[in-house]
Amino acid sequence: DAKTTQPNSMESNEEEPVHLPCNHSTISGTDYIHWYRQLPSQGPEYVIHGLTSNVNNRMASLAIAEDRKSSTLILHRATLRDAAVYYCILRDMAGGSYIPTFGRGTSLIVHP
Amino acid sequence: DGGITQSPKYLFRKEGQNVTLSCEQNLNHDAMYWYRQDPGQGLRLIYYSQIVNDFQKGDIAEGYSVSREKKESFPLTVTSAQKNPTAFYLCASSTVRSSSGRAKNIQYFGAGTRLSVL
Repeated sequence: DAKTTQPNSMESNEEEPVHLPCNHSTISGTDYIHWYRQLPSQGPEYVIHGLTSNVNNRMASLAIAEDRKSSTLILHRATLRDAAVYYCILRDMAGGSYIPTFGRGTSLIVHP
Repeated sequence: DGGITQSPKYLFRKEGQNVTLSCEQNLNHDAMYWYRQDPGQGLRLIYYSQIVNDFQKGDIAEGYSVSREKKESFPLTVTSAQKNPTAFYLCASSTVRSSSGRAKNIQYFGAGTRLSVL
């Protein structure tokens, strides 16, 4: 899997929007961009994924740059329950075999 | 409810002892994975399996062993050769290919097992 780069940590106030950036300058044409989050002492959970177009679901929005070298996970109104580590990962959908890797992610701190 | 179940939640190992962590899924997923997470770190892949009776080493397989005799089960044994086993262990599963031929590859994780050394 191609490498992604994320800030180690970010802070936000409750009920404010949060924009979590991810750089993936070596992304290939068949790589999907996946986001997961991990709440304290729990396993990661899937948040959202996309290929080229921006995506929305009940949890978040994903904005993908036109050149696909970066993306941003958007939480529209942060709550205290959104405090977690957020992982940006690339998934190659062309091949049948891949080894998923999770870096350190971005630790989101939400202030009341 | 479909999902992944890991047990036990907490496990203690004595020096020289082998311990086995359980992972069961009822999502009908072909692929299963084991990760290790140390405090403040990301997840590191130990082993993964894409089909029954077959599995591959990940980045840190030394001191660990697995089996995949059933689609639903992927137990991990932490052997006495693993000198620093204290960590949070996570099991995950995913599809390999969707009916359209393009893989979804979304991973679903268990709640984890926290292993400590006595």
